Amino acid sequence: GAVVSQHPSRVICKSGTSVKIECRSLDFQATTMFWYRQFPKQSLMLMATSNEGSKATYEQGVEKDKFLINHASLTLSTLTVTSAHPEDSSFYICSARDLTGVRAPQLANYGYTFGSGTRLTVV
Amino acid sequence: KNEVEQSPQNLTAQEGEFITINCSYSVGISALHWLQQHPGGGIVSLFMLSSGKKKHGRLIATINIQEKHSSLHITASHPRDSAVYICAVIPMNRDDKIIFGKGTRLHILP
Repeated sequence: GAVVSQHPSRVICKSGTSVKIECRSLDFQATTMFWYRQFPKQSLMLMATSNEGSKATYEQGVEKDKFLINHASLTLSTLTVTSAHPEDSSFYICSARDLTGVRAPQLANYGYTFGSGTRLTVV
Repeated sequence: KNEVEQSPQNLTAQEGEFITINCSYSVGISALHWLQQHPGGGIVSLFMLSSGKKKHGRLIATINIQEKHSSLHITASHPRDSAVYICAVIPMNRDDKIIFGKGTRLHILP
């Protein structure tokens, strides 16, 4: 089945540093990648949507200069949290769609596959 | 009011019990997902459905489009089923925007 590999699973960083989170689609082309943030006991909140080769579309209230998203290839998308602060501590998770359905037909119509998530702690 | 409401929010049951988690939504949808999130955080898609019923092992998901309601059932529940179960819908007019429920925290006691 379609798999999205997300790394790292956990990261602790100092305030002011930057952290990069990667999501790779292992056996399909992720034409669209979604990045979410989840606070404890809350729903997943969409941060941004990225299509391969184009700029990400950010949701209202999400600072694009702080959360840099790159989707340079059909198998890799990255989220970089720049100048991290303790309030950025959260659970970040990606999900991918393959609109072509070529390798993962179950994803072609409204199917999403999720990464395993990254727990970021900024100290 | 949230567009996707789940009930119950928390559920504790004994091993072997039949479990039902409900999801109601207020928008027209193209599809509905049931997701499972384990304590480590990773999310697994259990079902995607747009009509009727699907079964996978001990899990059954049903949807009634007219009533805007879906249920997830777990038969012969086991402690390893303990997780957060999330209902998520894809709105009919925006299939790039998935709307998540807040989840149901399930705890199965041995």
